Amino acid sequence: LAKTTQPISMDSYEGQEVNITCSHNNIATNDYITWYQQFPSQGPRFIIQGYKTKVTNEVASLFIPADRKSSTLSLPRVSLSDTAVYYCLVGDNMGAGSYQLTFGKGTKLSVIP
Amino acid sequence: DTGVSQNPRHKITKRGQNVTFRCDPISEHNRLYWYRQTLGQGPEFLTYFQNEAQLEKSRLLSDRFSAERPKGSFSTLEIQRTEQGDSAMYLCASSHPLGLAGESGYFGPGTRLTVT
Repeated sequence: LAKTTQPISMDSYEGQEVNITCSHNNIATNDYITWYQQFPSQGPRFIIQGYKTKVTNEVASLFIPADRKSSTLSLPRVSLSDTAVYYCLVGDNMGAGSYQLTFGKGTKLSVIP
Repeated sequence: DTGVSQNPRHKITKRGQNVTFRCDPISEHNRLYWYRQTLGQGPEFLTYFQNEAQLEKSRLLSDRFSAERPKGSFSTLEIQRTEQGDSAMYLCASSHPLGLAGESGYFGPGTRLTVT
């Protein structure tokens, strides 16, 4: 299972763009990259998933370079409600029957007014 | 679609008692996962079902833990002879295979277990 490394914490002012980078040097060919957001006392919430290049949805963008050894979650114009822990995960959900997500400690994002 | 639901949301029990949690996945999802999360840590994988088959179990899942998913729908996680170290948030997630809608695992709100 590929391990990930991401900053423990980040601070940002409201309205700014926030980029959280995750390293996954031993990502496997079949692994996808997934980001989750978690508020206290709630389950993680799926944000975005990608395999390569760039993925964008209504919440965030995910940038993945060609070597796929890292990825960057981009949150545009954050607000106070974006204060949460953000987890980067890699995993193979194309396999025959096994898909185990391995969470690290995540990045605690604090948005400051 | 109401998402993944878990019951109860909170459970306080005395050491040595048995507890059972229930997870109802999103209806068309054939994959179901259980995770455990302690304060300040990310969720730790416990076990995985594809339909009714339990295909993967973590070494974290001691003999006191058992999970079932009869008929491939809802799932239960039972902890026997609870210990204080079992106090945690127990999370359930469900998904269907990538390729249909690019979806990954969707988590429920969790069951907070406190063992006194």
